[in-house]
Amino acid sequence: GQQLNQSPQSMFIQEGEDVSMNCTSSSIFNTWLWYKQEPGEGPVLLIALYKAGELTSNGRLTAQFGITRKDSFLNISASIPSDVGIYFCAGQLSNTGKLIFGQGTTLQVKP
Amino acid sequence: DTEVTQTPKHLVMGMTNKKSLKCEQHMGHRAMYWYKQKAKKPPELMFVYSYEKLSINESVPSRFSPECPNSSLLNLHLHALQPEDSALYLCASSQDENSNYGYTFGSGTRLTVV
Repeated sequence: GQQLNQSPQSMFIQEGEDVSMNCTSSSIFNTWLWYKQEPGEGPVLLIALYKAGELTSNGRLTAQFGITRKDSFLNISASIPSDVGIYFCAGQLSNTGKLIFGQGTTLQVKP
Repeated sequence: DTEVTQTPKHLVMGMTNKKSLKCEQHMGHRAMYWYKQKAKKPPELMFVYSYEKLSINESVPSRFSPECPNSSLLNLHLHALQPEDSALYLCASSQDENSNYGYTFGSGTRLTVV
């Protein structure tokens, strides 16, 4: 079945540092999504990418949809304590809408 | 209204109890989903409803019984659960089943089976 390989699995960084995480797949996706999940809450959509090569920003977050449609990265600049959480990439398959999740990146930020 | 609302937020039930989880959205979305999520793992798809009809059942045990009374509501009826069913249960919705605009998730119900 389809799988997304997300890395790194976890990160422990100092406040103010930049963060980068990525997802790769052997499958081609129509849409790449990045979600953040905080303890006791559901995933919240951060950025959605719809076109190969697309680079999109949302505040301190920047994400790109790979040219091959098989990968994506998420960068967080100047991290702050409230960035703590689990970040999931998710790809939507062409013509089905089915959402495939990566395994998640757990981010901890030391003040 | 751009939210998916789930109730209750927390639920503790015994293995012989019957309980229901509720999910509501008023975004006009025609696809609704139930997911199960264990700690520090990605959500796992359980059921998909499309236009109020069950579209996908990911081989979920019959002790979980979904119901879609109308286009805004989705229920998950629980009966004779096991302790390993303890998890965060997430509801989500999307424009329709084939939409490529992502899903909107609720905050989840934290279920503990004792």
